This record gives sequence, C-alpha cells and structure tokens, in this order.
Amino acid sequence: DQQVKQNSPSLSVQEGRISILNCDYTNSMFDYFLWYKKYPAEGPTFLISISSIKDKNEDGRFTVFLNKSAKHLSLHIVPSQPGDSAVYFCAASARYSGGGADGLTFGKGTHLIIQP
Amino acid sequence: NAGVTQTPKFQVLKTGQSMTLQCAQDMNHNSMYWYRQDPGMGLRLIYYSASEGTTDKGEVPNGYNVSRLNKREFSLRLESAAPSQTSVYFCASSTPGHDLHKNYEQYFGPGTRLTVT
Repeated sequence: DQQVKQNSPSLSVQEGRISILNCDYTNSMFDYFLWYKKYPAEGPTFLISISSIKDKNEDGRFTVFLNKSAKHLSLHIVPSQPGDSAVYFCAASARYSGGGADGLTFGKGTHLIIQP
Repeated sequence: NAGVTQTPKFQVLKTGQSMTLQCAQDMNHNSMYWYRQDPGMGLRLIYYSASEGTTDKGEVPNGYNVSRLNKREFSLRLESAAPSQTSVYFCASSTPGHDLHKNYEQYFGPGTRLTVT
C-alpha cells in the first residue's frame, strides 16, 4: 500500500510559467513533508519542507502548500527555469509521533520538463 | 566539508557474492539511513541508525545487514547477493528532532549503482 502518491509520472511546462507538482498521502501520522529534486546519477537534494502546523511555506521561487484535511500537498515553482528540469520526489515522515530516527517515505516521483 | 560520501560508485556482483557498501558523513549528524531506489520507484528505507550504537529495520530490510561503526560511518552489507538487489543505493544522514517548529532535512550521498547478475 503506497502511503505517499505522486500520480503524475511526468509534467511538461513552458519556461517562465508556473509548475505545479502534486502529492497525496494516506498515513495520518505523517506530520512533516519534504520535496527533493534529483538529477540523473546524483543523490536527491533538498528543496523545501513544511510541517503540519503550517499550511504554506515559501523559499524564493518555491512554495509548498499543505491541505491536511485532504491529505494533499503541492509544490509551486514560479517562474519555471530550464535548470528546474529534474525528477521531483515528495517525502513524508512522522517526526513528532515517530520517535527515534525519522525515516522518510517517498513517492515515486514526477519528471518535470521545462520547455524553452 | 564533503557532506555524505559513498563508496564504491559502481559495483557488479555475481549471484551469491557478498559485499559491503560504505557511507560516511562529516556533518556530525546523529542519524544515518540506507535507501534503495529501483526504476520508476521512489526511495525505500532499508535500515536506519538513530544514533551511534543503534540500528533498526526499515521497509525493505531482508537480505541486508548494517553496522554503525562510529558516529561518522554506517555500512550496508549484502551477505549473498541476489538479482533482486540490483538497485541504486543511497545513504543519508540527519539530526532528527521532534519539534515541528524547527526545520529538518536528510542529506543524501551520490549513490552506489549495484548490478547483480
């Protein structure tokens, strides 16, 4: 049973426009959510995160929105740039309730392609 | 400051062979993790170590063992490799915390690409 779902395997967006990547989760214990960006043959790099005590977090061109009642989060990238082309992973953890270390549960990823 | 380093970068094994994947971090993090990523899949947690001297199973631990050698190093061992263990393996580290007002992230290494024939 997949606890973190990214239902769009790929997304194509024109340069300069907004990219919106979506993520749904099923585990009510998740209270912290992260977005990672991954280029081929490299490790994931952290982009932005949000805890369940917030509904929005912004960092430059990146904004993450959390809708707890819908168990849904989204990543907005404005404006989209060619260097944003990569695979984006949504990840979740139960930080407050998890105890011990916080292993992440990942979605399958969305391949974002920015077209010139 | 190298962050999280992994060796080797690539490895080919025959079924039944054993090997150890090495991971080290220089960020003084308490927790370390091993994940695997298969084609078209997200990363899945194999084992983790909340602190020096402790290890726990993750989602997919079968066929693996781990050792937290010291605070810096966390190794993953395949005792008898199987083709199903062909994957890319990522090590990560973090300083965990339960305070949701504070930011948190896991830092990942570049990965080890393992093929078992």
